Amino acid sequence: KAGVTQTPRYLIKTRGQQVTLSCSPISGHRSVSWYQQTPGQGLQFLFEYFSETQRNKGNFPGRFSGRQFSNSRSEMNVSTLELGDSALYLCASSSSGPTDTQYFGPGTRLTVL
Amino acid sequence: AQTVTQSQPEMSVQEAETVTLSCTYDTSESDYYLFWYKQPPSRQMILVIRQEAYKQQNATENRFSVNFQKAAKSFSLKISDSQLGDAAMYFCAYRGNYGQNFVFGPGTRLSVLP
Repeated sequence: KAGVTQTPRYLIKTRGQQVTLSCSPISGHRSVSWYQQTPGQGLQFLFEYFSETQRNKGNFPGRFSGRQFSNSRSEMNVSTLELGDSALYLCASSSSGPTDTQYFGPGTRLTVL
Repeated sequence: AQTVTQSQPEMSVQEAETVTLSCTYDTSESDYYLFWYKQPPSRQMILVIRQEAYKQQNATENRFSVNFQKAAKSFSLKISDSQLGDAAMYFCAYRGNYGQNFVFGPGTRLSVLP
């Protein structure tokens, strides 16, 4: 099976812009979770989608949003970018349950200038 | 709120030796899951081992095992017969019984010396 893929791998934006990141889960997986990884804050859970519905949510402002499509692919959007949004954004998929084994993608490195 | 603490920012171990990474957590929930993830340099994060809180038996995966002490809220990872490929950042993580409150520790960077 192909692994979790994320596009783009690298992205440079400027403050105030918005960005959309994409994640394609492993075939058959219905759950997709998003994480932000920074040197200062470490790994933080953003949200989880299952069958096109947000099932769990971390403690991030409303500028961070996501959605999941019927084929389980997911997108994450960040509006009005801030310098502090520079991070590695990781996506992970699992078959169904929120505590099933998660398989991570390589991440999207976002730099906000 | 749940918190996860890893008190060792960096550790090193000689190849073929055993090393233990520490993790403590704080929660008021009785049912939850604990995980150890490994993130090699410039490579994808992978799950090393998981433990269900309701299971008293410590989880084991080949050379990796945990010491789960529920009362002490401690969840350490033991790596036996360390290999060069074990060099990575290791994250301890907590997740509530229904997937809520997914919290990661700050990580421990493990170096394996030949």
